[in-house]
Amino acid sequence: GESVGLHLPTLSVQEGDNSIINCAYSNSASDYFIWYKQESGKGPQFIIDIRSNMDKRQGQRVTVLLNKTVKHLSLQIAATQPGDSAVYFCAETYYGQNFVFGPGTRLSVLP
Amino acid sequence: SAVISQKPSRDICQRGTSLTIQCQVDSQVTMMFWYRQQPGQSLTLIATANQGSEATYESGFVIDKFPISRPNLTFSTLTVSNMSPEDSSIYLCSVVVYRRSTDTQYFGPGTRLTVL
Repeated sequence: GESVGLHLPTLSVQEGDNSIINCAYSNSASDYFIWYKQESGKGPQFIIDIRSNMDKRQGQRVTVLLNKTVKHLSLQIAATQPGDSAVYFCAETYYGQNFVFGPGTRLSVLP
Repeated sequence: SAVISQKPSRDICQRGTSLTIQCQVDSQVTMMFWYRQQPGQSLTLIATANQGSEATYESGFVIDKFPISRPNLTFSTLTVSNMSPEDSSIYLCSVVVYRRSTDTQYFGPGTRLTVL
């Protein structure tokens, strides 16, 4: 099956600080990338996406950066809030086929 | 985006029994998938549910253990057969929807299965 990684790395940040979650992807031909947020007991929720012809895309309090040279994707969350506590997954795909998910990062927001 | 619902949301089952999970989408979609997510882990693709034909299974998953139905473009079921405690997991239905000139994958809320 399509499974990457075993144990979740954890990022702890203070409430109000900015968070940066990183992801290394595997296929240099991937042309579309997505970040998902998964809260406890729920399915993954789409947060933001970026196509390979861009290197940055901004949403509400979130920014995704793409570095194709080193096959690296990051998700930046501004002014992190307790509600941002969740597991974050990146996903890559080529022409909408075969979505591959990263191992996930658990974000813990400290009061 | 697509609105995806799953039933049941959770269940506790006895070893050796089977459970059928339903996935309903609010619009017609071509591509529908079933994933498994074990505690603290990422998503593992079980199979692609094909409308009108047999599902396409990933390595390590077989039809006898995880039979899938896809009678139309808005509905699918996944059965977990002859369950063992190792099948305890979250099972997720997902669909691919064409959005902003590209295909994007969306997930249902998941079914949390515990096998005793």
